[in-house]
Amino acid sequence: DAKTTQPPSMDCAEGRAANLPCNHSTISGNEYVYWYRQIHSQGPQYIIHGLKNNETNEMASLIITEDRKSSTLILPHATLRDTAVYYCIVRSRSGSARQLTFGSGTQLTVLP
Amino acid sequence: EAGVVQSPRYKIIEKKQPVAFWCNPISGHNTLYWYRQNLGQGPELLIRYENEEAVDDSQLPKDRFSAERLKGVDSTLKIQPAELGDSAVYLCASSPILDGKFSTDTQYFGPGTRLTVL
Repeated sequence: DAKTTQPPSMDCAEGRAANLPCNHSTISGNEYVYWYRQIHSQGPQYIIHGLKNNETNEMASLIITEDRKSSTLILPHATLRDTAVYYCIVRSRSGSARQLTFGSGTQLTVLP
Repeated sequence: EAGVVQSPRYKIIEKKQPVAFWCNPISGHNTLYWYRQNLGQGPELLIRYENEEAVDDSQLPKDRFSAERLKGVDSTLKIQPAELGDSAVYLCASSPILDGKFSTDTQYFGPGTRLTVL
């Protein structure tokens, strides 16, 4: 699986958009980009995933660059409850395809 | 819909003692995972089950760790004997049967069991 690089921490003002970057320059053509988050003392929670096209759901938007070497998770209106560690994961379709390989993630702190 | 249930939520034991964690996955999910999460790090996979079969246990320390998933539903992870370095959060996750689309295989995590070995 391709490795990802994320900033260790970010702050965001409540009500503003939170933009979390992720670099995955070695991603291969059939690998998806997944985002999970982990609120303190809870298990990770799925947010969104994508392959090539931008994706949006009720939680967030995922913007993947045309060359697929990086992506950005956007929380359009961050709230205090969005404070969590956000993990960007690139996942292979073959072999241990169901394994999620977590890095250290980005600690997002939403400030009042 | 009930989520993944784990118990206990917290466990404190002395080194060399045995310990067991229990997981009840989401109903209908045939794939079950056990992860270990050390402080300040992301979760690491220990074992993955497809129904009753352990299909990936390459990261499970087999000298002291064991797991079972009888009848392909609930699962138990055991450590015997526990060591100081086993202190971590043990997470269970499950995912539904693929419907032919890889992209729908999302994992759902339980709250975890925080183990402290003294």
